[in-house]
Amino acid sequence: NAGVMQNPRHLVRRRGQEARLRCSPMKGHSHVYWYRQLPEEGLKFMVYLQKENIIDESGMPKERFSAEFPKEGPSILRIQQVVRGDSAAYFCASSPPGGPSYNEQFFGPGTRLTVL
Amino acid sequence: AQTVTQSQPEMSVQEAETVTLSCTYDTSESDYYLFWYKQPPSRQMILVIRQEAYKQQNATENRFSVNFQKAAKSFSLKISDSQLGDAAMYFCAYKEGAYGGATNKLIFGTGTLLAVQP
Repeated sequence: NAGVMQNPRHLVRRRGQEARLRCSPMKGHSHVYWYRQLPEEGLKFMVYLQKENIIDESGMPKERFSAEFPKEGPSILRIQQVVRGDSAAYFCASSPPGGPSYNEQFFGPGTRLTVL
Repeated sequence: AQTVTQSQPEMSVQEAETVTLSCTYDTSESDYYLFWYKQPPSRQMILVIRQEAYKQQNATENRFSVNFQKAAKSFSLKISDSQLGDAAMYFCAYKEGAYGGATNKLIFGTGTLLAVQP
């Protein structure tokens, strides 16, 4: 059973470009979470999605950031017009819809975004 | 709002010795979950141990155990027989209970960097 997959692992963008980060949850998991880790800091929650629905986006910056989890395909975190302050590691996690592991989140390896 | 505090930015332990990492949290909820995650240099987040607030018994996973003091809102991690592979950043995390419409988000502390000396 493959774990949570994220791609790309490293992404370099110039200021003003768009960044698209992808996350494929574990098989059978329908809940996806995005977290951001700034250098030398802990992870900060951004958004929680279920298939085709945003459940909680309380941690998402109001502008330039968006997330989706379509019926088919991976979850996408999109950052428009990136700025240097967006440089960080972005982690995706997933959890199943029920069962004993419902309250656990399984993390992907992260995408390290560098904005030049 | 819930908060998680890790007051030890760095800790060091000798190989084969025992070390305890501290974590305190603040919440008005009665139903919640607590976790310890390990982040080695690879940056992969690895779940070490979890504790349900309604359980009085402290969780254990092999060499890892917790001291959960609900009244004091304290959740420390004890690593016994420390190994070189235990060297990593350790994050304490909190999640509200699954029922009652609560969000599933994890709230993390700022982490404790553990060094293991050979």
